[in-house]
Amino acid sequence: AQSVAQPEDQVNVAEGNPLTVKCTYSVSGNPYLFWYVQYPNRGLQFLLKYITGDNLVKGSYGFEAEFNKSQTSFHLKKPSALVSDSALYFCAVRAYSGNTPLVFGKGTRLSVIA
Amino acid sequence: GAVVSQHPSWVICKSGTSVKIECRSLDFQATTMFWYRQFPKQSLMLMATSNEGSKATYEQGVEKDKFLINHASLTLSTLTVTSAHPEDSSFYICSAIARTSGVYEQYFGPGTRLTVT
Repeated sequence: AQSVAQPEDQVNVAEGNPLTVKCTYSVSGNPYLFWYVQYPNRGLQFLLKYITGDNLVKGSYGFEAEFNKSQTSFHLKKPSALVSDSALYFCAVRAYSGNTPLVFGKGTRLSVIA
Repeated sequence: GAVVSQHPSWVICKSGTSVKIECRSLDFQATTMFWYRQFPKQSLMLMATSNEGSKATYEQGVEKDKFLINHASLTLSTLTVTSAHPEDSSFYICSAIARTSGVYEQYFGPGTRLTVT
């Protein structure tokens, strides 16, 4: 069975500062990892994904995530936060092979303060 | 990338009535679609897996008689909330699987906001 943990309900960061949103996962086999962002009353927007290859994955809007197999983590990062980055962020995982559905973490609300 | 649409994007209905939500894969065929439910400020919870031409597989705790799922074609799955009650008010998101370069990719619809009064 797959699972995702996002240990922080809320992350607050000042505009211009680096941000990190944490995610750890559990999956049988090789993981297929994702980050999505959701703005109020909107659907999910894809940010980035990791399948294989470089542990540092670059995605949309300047976000990146680092895959760490030994720590089973996939933290989302951005070097310089913007107020417009304030939203709800979801980490998701599924096994690489097969067509099983994504399992989502509970979400982390990011608040960037001007 | 592949596009998934949902209709309607929002709906308000009276308690006791039924509501149908459509999920379409616009530029690809999807043998498998998933339905998720999201309560306010909470995560997406998988409700059911919809397979074309066969009965849907429901997650534990999801009432199959209340949430009827039909996957009649390779591009359309429908979720019908029967005899809706205020506690069924939620954000419903569908997703469809496309196989791209040997990898199964999951694409999400924009969601449907259901409010039951």
